[in-house]
Amino acid sequence: QVQLQESGPGLVKPSGTLSLTCAVSGGSISSSNWWSWVRQPPGKGLEWIGEIYHSGSTNYNPSLKSRVTISVDKSKNQFSLKLSSVTAADTAVYYCARDQFTIFGVVTYGMDVWGQGTTVTVSS
Amino acid sequence: EIVLTQSPATLSLSPGERATLSCRASQSVSSYLAWYQQKPGQAPRLLIYDASNRATGIPARFSGSGSGTDFTLTISSLEPEDFAVYYCQQRSNWPPFTWTFGQGTKVEIK
Repeated sequence: QVQLQESGPGLVKPSGTLSLTCAVSGGSISSSNWWSWVRQPPGKGLEWIGEIYHSGSTNYNPSLKSRVTISVDKSKNQFSLKLSSVTAADTAVYYCARDQFTIFGVVTYGMDVWGQGTTVTVSS
Repeated sequence: EIVLTQSPATLSLSPGERATLSCRASQSVSSYLAWYQQKPGQAPRLLIYDASNRATGIPARFSGSGSGTDFTLTISSLEPEDFAVYYCQQRSNWPPFTWTFGQGTKVEIK
């Protein structure tokens, strides 16, 4: 079954760029799925950041769109997140997730597979 | 932008009791309404998709219902492992396609 694993620096300096990668195993990123990034600040709720299709099409949270870039590397079976001009407010656990799946032959939406999450702290 | 409002913020119940969680949308939403369970230190787990379908491996005590702007997650008889935070989520069905989460409901042991 599909598994996801986030990786990247745990500490980023203010005004810098946060860069994370999500490795997909047990399946191909080129299957008919969208792939998302979600974050959760300490003690708070979930916030969707954006998603990418294997073709490279993207959708972003309007509140973060100006600072976010999500890309896909099919040769490595992974997708990545870049968040620029970070501040302390971007400190969070960052998750990657599959947000489209097929069940009983029907394609639908929902985040059915998640990575375990990676903590990113923005601090000097 | 659609806003999802969950109520109550906290639900204090005993094992064996029925839990009813509400998710209300600021405008009519698509059928792509999902519910998640999250325990401390863990990633969220998909419980319900398409408003009323249980995800693979989810016990039958979890059920989802609703349409339009009002959705409900019901746990028929709380087990000790069900005490957690629950989030609703919806995907817009017109461009720009976005996902929105509710703020969460914490189900705690009374």
